[in-house]
Amino acid sequence: DAKTTQPTSMDCAEGRAANLPCNHSTISGNEYVYWYRQIHSQGPQYIIHGLKNNETNEMASLIITEDRKSSTLILPHATLRDTAVYYCIVFSGGGADGLTFGKGTHLIIQP
Amino acid sequence: DTEVTQTPKHLVMGMTNKKSLKCEQHMGHRAMYWYKQKAKKPPELMFVYSYEKLSINESVPSRFSPECPNSSLLNLHLHALQPEDSALYLCASSQEASRQGARGTEAFFGQGTRLTVV
Repeated sequence: DAKTTQPTSMDCAEGRAANLPCNHSTISGNEYVYWYRQIHSQGPQYIIHGLKNNETNEMASLIITEDRKSSTLILPHATLRDTAVYYCIVFSGGGADGLTFGKGTHLIIQP
Repeated sequence: DTEVTQTPKHLVMGMTNKKSLKCEQHMGHRAMYWYKQKAKKPPELMFVYSYEKLSINESVPSRFSPECPNSSLLNLHLHALQPEDSALYLCASSQEASRQGARGTEAFFGQGTRLTVV
């Protein structure tokens, strides 16, 4: 069963912030929200993850709602190289359980 | 070195051939994974190795046979494949962590082997 719901596709203008939403209303207390992206014909790339606090790294920011039922990945200044499929995954992490990928959001950055 | 290296990048094989896909990492990760990805679909987990032992087999047909000879290497042996097995095969590794969601538990993926079965 899909644990996350994401829009199929989104467009964003180059240089603007890209905000990618994810619904995970059945998330358990011990599950983290992970984001990966896959640029065409490449392997998936880790972006960021969080439990309940907002997180920021050099690639992106992750905003998790207080009830943890949804989150938003923010790419602050999108470039053409950010065009990719973005996967939101809920995962308890830490062990060797493997990731279950949903369909993801195809983000297209427009020049 | 944060790379997961997969060889070969491309492979074409007949249905009666035997071939192997290879994956290597030198990050000291103790968990390694095989995923299969069909065109325009998300990756699907096939196998998980933890400390060189098979811990998860997602009901994969026996014509796919994984092997983990040491902590840095992961192989996927292929035999008697079908054309529908044509796909991108991805290898990944991650650090086992005692604390869930700890920094450093993210998975690193290779660039994949694009397999075509004819």
